[in-house]
Amino acid sequence: QQPVQSPQAVILREGEDAVINCSSSKALYSVHWYRQKHGEAPVFLMILLKGGEQKGHDKISASFNEKKQQSSLYLTASQLSYSGTYFCGTEWWDRDDKIIFGKGTRLHILP
Amino acid sequence: NAGVTQTPKFRVLKTGQSMTLLCAQDMNHEYMYWYRQDPGMGLRLIHYSVGEGTTAKGEVPDGYNVSRLKKQNFLLGLESAAPSQTSVYFCASTESPTEAFFGQGTRLTVV
Repeated sequence: QQPVQSPQAVILREGEDAVINCSSSKALYSVHWYRQKHGEAPVFLMILLKGGEQKGHDKISASFNEKKQQSSLYLTASQLSYSGTYFCGTEWWDRDDKIIFGKGTRLHILP
Repeated sequence: NAGVTQTPKFRVLKTGQSMTLLCAQDMNHEYMYWYRQDPGMGLRLIHYSVGEGTTAKGEVPDGYNVSRLKKQNFLLGLESAAPSQTSVYFCASTESPTEAFFGQGTRLTVV
């Protein structure tokens, strides 16, 4: 089943921070994060594989909790270019190699 | 390096007509996926393939068929199009569990 993303939508002013959550009812093998601009294809941000892992680049980072059932994406000091829809994609431990995406979180940054 | 290429980019079909969407990737990836994207629903997996000659059902497979005769190509067929299949279709490829690369999408309208 689809992972649950929250919130569904966020409106921020430039420079503010945001957190997007992705939750699963069972342990995950991996979590992917993507950003999609209107009318474009999703673009990869990062993937997390290990419980307790944290990674990031620039001012966008993500964590994967110890039980591997929740991941959070952190956007720090948001920029106008961060606007878009963010998706988490999940793979389960049964390793049937499906990537199932959440419904997305719409992020709008105001100047 | 073209990455993932989808053909066509736009198409209008009449109810009951058939068509095939082509996805081609030049990265020698084993895994390929077809998703549909509808407002508020995120990316839903239709069918996927873990290698040449293999296919498997995703979350919403009804009304679609697929084939993976060559490693680089993944075809999505609609035998008898219905208005409910109006959507944006994305193909993706990956060498799991790494970054998934998406095509630019096919906007399909069934009237």
